[in-house]
Amino acid sequence: QQPVQSPQAVILREGEDAVINCSSSKALYSVHWYRQKHGEAPVFLMILLKGGEQKGHDKISASFNEKKQQSSLYLTASQLSYSGTYFCGTPKDNAGNMLTFGGGTRLMVKP
Amino acid sequence: EAGVAQSPRYKIIEKRQSVAFWCNPISGHATLYWYQQILGQGPKLLIQFQNNGVVDDSQLPKDRFSAERLKGVDSTLKIQPAKLEDSAVYLCASSLAGYTGELFFGEGSRLTVL
Repeated sequence: QQPVQSPQAVILREGEDAVINCSSSKALYSVHWYRQKHGEAPVFLMILLKGGEQKGHDKISASFNEKKQQSSLYLTASQLSYSGTYFCGTPKDNAGNMLTFGGGTRLMVKP
Repeated sequence: EAGVAQSPRYKIIEKRQSVAFWCNPISGHATLYWYQQILGQGPKLLIQFQNNGVVDDSQLPKDRFSAERLKGVDSTLKIQPAKLEDSAVYLCASSLAGYTGELFFGEGSRLTVL
């Protein structure tokens, strides 16, 4: 079953922060985050493997609440390069098989 | 290191015609995926291969779609006959075996069915 992302779209000014949420009605084994720029392939950001795990990459970080079956992606002090569509993905089993993506969150960062 | 290669990049066909897409994964990647991405939506998984075996093809519309990965390396995805709703970008991705694997995506094959 497809994870649900919110919000569907966000418009920010450079330097502002944003949070993208991803939730599932089924137990989450792990959560994967990808970013896709217009006309390009999705690019990997990070994987969260354990409940409560938090990871960061530059000024993009994420948390994983296994109990609540949800994950959040935090974009701090956004840059123009952060613009794109963000997808969370959840596997069907704990071996990471059948990664299913949410509908995406479109992020636009303006100068 | 070479990335995931896909061809053709673009294809325009009439409905009821057939089309085939080819994917060559990153060398050494045992797992290969085909995703369908309709404009404005997230990628939808069609099939996952582990080496030359199918892990799951439950979302592949088998009355018209077929996929194979002979010899556990490159793969082809075929649609026959195509319908208007098949218009989408078909993304191929590969990863090393194991659940910590990051997916590496190809640039995709954009299909337009008229």
